[in-house]
Amino acid sequence: AQRVTQPEKLLSVFKGAPVELKCNYSYSGSPELFWYVQYSRQRLQLLLRHISRESIKGFTADLNKGETSFHLKKPFAQEEDSAMYYCALQGSGRRALTFGSGTRLQVQP
Amino acid sequence: GAVVSQHPSRVICKSGTSVKIECRSLDFQATTMFWYRQFPKQSLMLMATSNEGSKATYEQGVEKDKFLINHASLTLSTLTVTSAHPEDSSFYICSAPGSHGYTFGSGTRLTVV
Repeated sequence: AQRVTQPEKLLSVFKGAPVELKCNYSYSGSPELFWYVQYSRQRLQLLLRHISRESIKGFTADLNKGETSFHLKKPFAQEEDSAMYYCALQGSGRRALTFGSGTRLQVQP
Repeated sequence: GAVVSQHPSRVICKSGTSVKIECRSLDFQATTMFWYRQFPKQSLMLMATSNEGSKATYEQGVEKDKFLINHASLTLSTLTVTSAHPEDSSFYICSAPGSHGYTFGSGTRLTVV
């Protein structure tokens, strides 16, 4: 079975502070990991995927297979980063995504 | 980019009635559509996968006779909640895989009274 765990329901930081949103997964094979973001009153949209190894809006995430983690990081949070963030996993042979429960990031001025 | 249009965004219905939710892929063909359900403060849970021209695949514990899925064309998938009950009240989201990853509909908030 595959599972995604996001231990924090809410993460509140001040503008300019570093941010780390935690994501751990459980999967026996080699998964593909994603971070999705949902801004207020908008639909879910892809933030980044581990195979791209890119930085989007200053966010990065590294897949750590030893720790089965895919934490999302940003060195300096901005107010516009306030949103709901979901970590998701796609296992081999299964096209649907398995989502974590989400973390709400609040960036205060 | 690829867009999935989902309607209605909100619906309130009486117990015992049926509600249809539509998801249309704009500017691309969606041979597959995933239907998720999200309870307040919880994650998106996959309900079923619809495939154009064939029967939908339902996740364990999801009643196929209650949640009817039809994928009649390459651009339209529908979810019908039949004989709705208050416990069916939830947020329903569709998603289609595309060339740049998964595209999500804006969701439908169903309230059964």
